Amino acid sequence: SSELTQDPAVSVALGQTVRITCQGDSLRSYYASWYQQKPGQAPVLVIYGKNNRPSGIPDRFSGSSSGNTASLTITGAQAEDEADYYCNSRDSSGNLYVVFGGGTKLTVL
Amino acid sequence: QITLKESGPTLVKPTQTLTLTCTFSGFSLSTSGVGVGWIRQPPGKALEWLALIYWDDDKRYSPSLKSRLTITKDTSKNQVVLTMTNMDPVDTATYYCARPMIGFAAFDIWGQGTMVTVSS
Repeated sequence: SSELTQDPAVSVALGQTVRITCQGDSLRSYYASWYQQKPGQAPVLVIYGKNNRPSGIPDRFSGSSSGNTASLTITGAQAEDEADYYCNSRDSSGNLYVVFGGGTKLTVL
Repeated sequence: QITLKESGPTLVKPTQTLTLTCTFSGFSLSTSGVGVGWIRQPPGKALEWLALIYWDDDKRYSPSLKSRLTITKDTSKNQVVLTMTNMDPVDTATYYCARPMIGFAAFDIWGQGTMVTVSS
């Protein structure tokens, strides 16, 4: 079982704002990173650190964190944002292991 | 341009040992802070971190799979090799190698992945 918990599925109307969350004890100490994965493709990093976007990631993607919960927000969701989203971080053991969340399927209506 | 590419068998039999190679370019595993990791994804399921190796040969393994995994590097060849022993059908997955960002648990560059099926 994953140490990071995500809702299995979330939906959003085209152009609206959606928040995808990730919960875990390790998030009190470490930032979450977020990945977008479309069918048949490798994951793509969209957010890392406090709220950083790699080059080429649209600014409608943003990240935030509070307590044991990290959030990925898509402001003005587009059809092409429909994908699986995964969070990851360090684990809570202090051994610098890596953990991934179970993923959230985002549907854009 | 930074790239990573996984290679290895597409089919292995139960109990066999899987050996996967990640060949990368655009960075060096002799540079301070640099690492390469392996992540897998069974069909229709979530990503699962397997192992990491760093420039100083520090190695980290998923606690649940540690007894079956070995990660090594060949800096001169720009390669990282992952071996997994005692393969089982539940190990059927796409295996990715990826580069972690220095100072973060984030993987910013991923290989295309290689699908490994475990079946007799």
